[in-house]
Amino acid sequence: AQKITQTQPGMFVQEKEAVTLDCTYDTSDPSYGLFWYKQPSSGEMIFLIYQGSYDQQNATEGRYSLNFQKARKSANLVISASQLGDSAMYFCAMREYGANSKLTFGKGITLSVRP
Amino acid sequence: EAGVTQFPSHSVIEKGQTVTLRCDPISGHDNLYWYRRVMGKEIKFLLHFVKESKQDESGMPNNRFLAERTGGTYSTLKVQPAELEDSGVYFCASSQSGKAKNIQYFGAGTRLSVL
Repeated sequence: AQKITQTQPGMFVQEKEAVTLDCTYDTSDPSYGLFWYKQPSSGEMIFLIYQGSYDQQNATEGRYSLNFQKARKSANLVISASQLGDSAMYFCAMREYGANSKLTFGKGITLSVRP
Repeated sequence: EAGVTQFPSHSVIEKGQTVTLRCDPISGHDNLYWYRRVMGKEIKFLLHFVKESKQDESGMPNNRFLAERTGGTYSTLKVQPAELEDSGVYFCASSQSGKAKNIQYFGAGTRLSVL
């Protein structure tokens, strides 16, 4: 069964510093995708970054990078040079390509950026 | 290009009443998904449309929930009759077909409160 674990209840980071948000997953499907979404107070879920299980390199999108450690089944999101607008809830999600296209989500992590 | 839009943003109804949520996907996206987040829990998959056909409805909680996507464009999710445990945020997402990553783009959700 799919499972996404996000255990950090809340994270604080100083503006301009980097922060890592943890995500571990569990799947028996060799082909899968990992996603991170941001949900600010407005409620919209914003796609941030994607990592495929067969991708050789860690994904990067601007200030976002994904620290993908396949053997450990972890897909941590790294946000560099934090900005006040990064304060939001962050969700890690996974899709197993051998089954269906639904996403399985973690409980989310609240990030607060301090000025 | 317009993103995924959901109506209404917030609905407050009494137990036993009927509520209909609407989702307009991104133009050209064949895939449409419904998810739900109950307070304090993970975001859970409800169902997946490909065009007007239900591809996967394994997440629908019971027969009080009815989803439609007539003509393969917008979708509605009807809850009849609503129960207290149906309260939560209902998200809609859409994605293109034929893309390996299959990024799902989400709307801002409809917050349903059943009193």
